[in-house]
Amino acid sequence: EAGVVQSPRYKIIEKKQPVAFWCNPISGHNTLYWYLQNLGQGPELLIRYENEEAVDDSQLPKDRFSAERLKGVDSTLKIQPAELGDSAVYLCASSLVSTSLHEQFFGPGTRLTVL
Amino acid sequence: QKEVEQNSGPLSVPEGAIASLNCTYSDRGSQSFFWYRQYSGKSPELIMSIYSNGDKEDGRFTAQLNKASQYVSLLIRDSQPSDSATYLCAVQYPGRRALTFGSGTRLQVQP
Repeated sequence: EAGVVQSPRYKIIEKKQPVAFWCNPISGHNTLYWYLQNLGQGPELLIRYENEEAVDDSQLPKDRFSAERLKGVDSTLKIQPAELGDSAVYLCASSLVSTSLHEQFFGPGTRLTVL
Repeated sequence: QKEVEQNSGPLSVPEGAIASLNCTYSDRGSQSFFWYRQYSGKSPELIMSIYSNGDKEDGRFTAQLNKASQYVSLLIRDSQPSDSATYLCAVQYPGRRALTFGSGTRLQVQP
């Protein structure tokens, strides 16, 4: 079974530029999460989707961040414009909501550097 | 503020010893607990999940949960240098499907 796929793996941009990250969850997983991880910290939730609906986006800075999950499969997270403080690893995870286990599996992440 | 607390370490143990990693959480109503291993430059990898009080064993790993004291621990028996990594504790708080993570404990296994 293929895991969570993310691209790109690395991205370097100038501040004020836009950037987008893409995620393809594990096949059949209906819940998708975007987390942000700063160096030396645990992941922090940005947004959670159940199918195509964003059901927990309270931590998403909506002035510059946006996300979508069209058709309830792939998802894109966008930052526009990027700021220096956005440099971090952006992790996508997925889980199967129909089970009671709530186990989440992470993709490899996208390491963003804003110069 | 729902919190998950871990000692940042590093925790250094000799090869073959038992490594003990601990985590405390703030919401007594929490039901699901997870341990992730994260190698430097890699993403978190799920290694253990536990939902009820007591111990759960999987190979060299044992997760222990004590809901009354609000702590969860991970024991690694016969520690190997390849176990050297950061171990993240994650808690699923009531009414929230997303996980709340601790900052992780860095484990170093000395050959």
